[in-house]
Amino acid sequence: QLQLQESGPGLVRPSETLSLTCSVSGGSITNTNHYWAWIRQPPGKGLEWIGNIYYDGSVYYNPALRSRVTISIDTSKNQYSLRLMSVTAADTAVFYCAPNVVPGRFDPWGQGTLVTVSS
Amino acid sequence: QYVLAQTASVSGSPGQSITISCTGTSRDVGSHNLVSWYQQHPNKAPQLIIFEDYLRPSGVSSRFSGSKSGNVASLTISGLQAEDEAYYYCCSYGGAFNWLFGGGTKLTVL
Repeated sequence: QLQLQESGPGLVRPSETLSLTCSVSGGSITNTNHYWAWIRQPPGKGLEWIGNIYYDGSVYYNPALRSRVTISIDTSKNQYSLRLMSVTAADTAVFYCAPNVVPGRFDPWGQGTLVTVSS
Repeated sequence: QYVLAQTASVSGSPGQSITISCTGTSRDVGSHNLVSWYQQHPNKAPQLIIFEDYLRPSGVSSRFSGSKSGNVASLTISGLQAEDEAYYYCCSYGGAFNWLFGGGTKLTVL
């Protein structure tokens, strides 16, 4: 059974780059039925899809974040990563990773990690 | 602002049924059979309860059901229980490899 775990700094300074990694266990990140997603949730607010990556490196981003986001994958480590540049306080959120199972559901989710943007 | 519109809150008494709606457009909800629903308890990660409009993952109670008519997807919870009190989010494929979430609905069990 797939399990995902987010990791990375819990505090990022404004204008800097947020970096997170999602470690996948219980299955291979090269599974052709899975895209790998990042989703965020600001405190007290709803969910926002950030982007997906496929094992071959194909990436798909939320148009609203495309200019600041990079998602990458390391199949040798069964991990994928998120970089969000030029962060502001509005980027403070719990960040989740989850597989986007073809044709389209997010399941299961990692436990989430809170990233606060503050000086 | 969220592309998919959900009522902010709904309530019901134990044993009753409630329905949560998710309104999209002909470009997303109305074009693809890819609406999913997620339950989120406080300080917990969301959990999938409905996918591909009406399918239920194994282990999810049959009290949860999904449907769709045109650009509106719905989640119905029958026989409300105290443990159903949570936030519920809809999600739809939006085309062009984009995924859209609703703003969430808070369910209160009275």
